[in-house]
Amino acid sequence: NAGVMQNPRHLVRRRGQEARLRCSPMKGHSHVYWYRQLPEEGLKFMVYLQKENIIDESGMPKERFSAEFPKEGPSILRIQQVVRGDSAAYFCASSPQTNAAEQFFGPGTRLTVL
Amino acid sequence: AQKVTQAQTEISVVEKEDVTLDCVYETRDTTYYLFWYKQPPSGELVFLIRRNSFDEQNEISGRYSWNFQKSTSSFNFTITASQVVDSAVYFCALSRSSPRETSGSRLTFGEGTQLTVNP
Repeated sequence: NAGVMQNPRHLVRRRGQEARLRCSPMKGHSHVYWYRQLPEEGLKFMVYLQKENIIDESGMPKERFSAEFPKEGPSILRIQQVVRGDSAAYFCASSPQTNAAEQFFGPGTRLTVL
Repeated sequence: AQKVTQAQTEISVVEKEDVTLDCVYETRDTTYYLFWYKQPPSGELVFLIRRNSFDEQNEISGRYSWNFQKSTSSFNFTITASQVVDSAVYFCALSRSSPRETSGSRLTFGEGTQLTVNP
């Protein structure tokens, strides 16, 4: 059983471009969490999704950031018009149910904005 | 609201020394989970332990041990006979164990402790 997959592992964008980060949860998992780790900081919750629904986006910046988890395919975290402050590691975690006892992390995507 | 505090930003020890990483948490929940993760220089998160708030027994796994003190809201992590490969950032985290439909079981992380083990 493959673990949580994230791609790309490294992404470089210039200011003003769009960044798309993908997260494929473990097989059978229908819950996805996204976290952001700014340089020299801990991970901060961004958004919690279940298939086709955003459940909690209280940690998402109000502008330029969006997330989706379609019925088919990976979860996508989309950042429009990136700025240098968006440079960070973005981790997703998946679980088969709401209980965090089984939350598994992907390897992360490191976004660098030039 | 939940909060996790790791007061030690950086710790440096010499190989074979014992080292304890502190973690203090705040929560209004009566039941919750506590976690420790390791983040080596390669950047991935490595799960180390999950502790249910019901279980206050200390745990030992090889050179690692954890001391859960509910009375002081602390969940400290000790590495015995440290090795260079233990050099990493260590995160303590907290979540509800009775998740809500509107927020799931999101993790609240501390800021991390950078541990450097010198040869």
